Amino acid sequence: ETGVTQSPTHLIKTRGQQVTLRCSSQSGHNTVSWYQQALGQGPQFIFQYYREEENGRGNFPPRFSGLQFPNYSSELNVNALELDDSALYLCASSLELPRRTRDEQFFGPGTRLTVL
Amino acid sequence: DAKTTQPPSMDCAEGRAANLPCNHSTISGNEYVYWYRQIHSQGPQYIIHGLKNNETNEMASLIITEDRKSSTLILPHATLRDTAVYYCIVRGEGGSYIPTFGRGTSLIVHP
Repeated sequence: ETGVTQSPTHLIKTRGQQVTLRCSSQSGHNTVSWYQQALGQGPQFIFQYYREEENGRGNFPPRFSGLQFPNYSSELNVNALELDDSALYLCASSLELPRRTRDEQFFGPGTRLTVL
Repeated sequence: DAKTTQPPSMDCAEGRAANLPCNHSTISGNEYVYWYRQIHSQGPQYIIHGLKNNETNEMASLIITEDRKSSTLILPHATLRDTAVYYCIVRGEGGSYIPTFGRGTSLIVHP
């Protein structure tokens, strides 16, 4: 059973550019969530996808968008990058339906994004 | 989802029990308490969760007070590898899931 993987591990972009981060869910998981973690802070929820549909969104602007594919892999896209977007981006997959209480999420190692 | 309050940092001697408290005084009846930890430069790792009863697994024990307004995560024999940030989250059912991680407790286990 493979765990959650993310690519790339590190990325450097300049302000105004666009970025796509990728996540491969744990085998069989149908729900994926994306988080942003600034230095010294806890992870902040960006959005969640369940069976290719967005199933909840945190307080992030529309320039943060996502996709979930039929094989349950996922992408996070960020347009018009700002300096404050520099952070660790984490994805997490889970098996259970999002409305159930059991929500043991399995996190990937994250992508460290630096915006200059 | 209810908010949680945790001490910013704690330390513990190796081999001793580490007891990490979490206050969730606004928790509602159908909300679970989850604990995750994050070792430096890694993604968070699920530890344990519970609703009312105390829970134990191979990693830790979770003690929830009778009024459910607080809980304690217990690492019975802390090791140096348990040094991490520990997050307590409450999570309800129904509707969209918007989990809230606070700043957690930075636990340092020293020799």
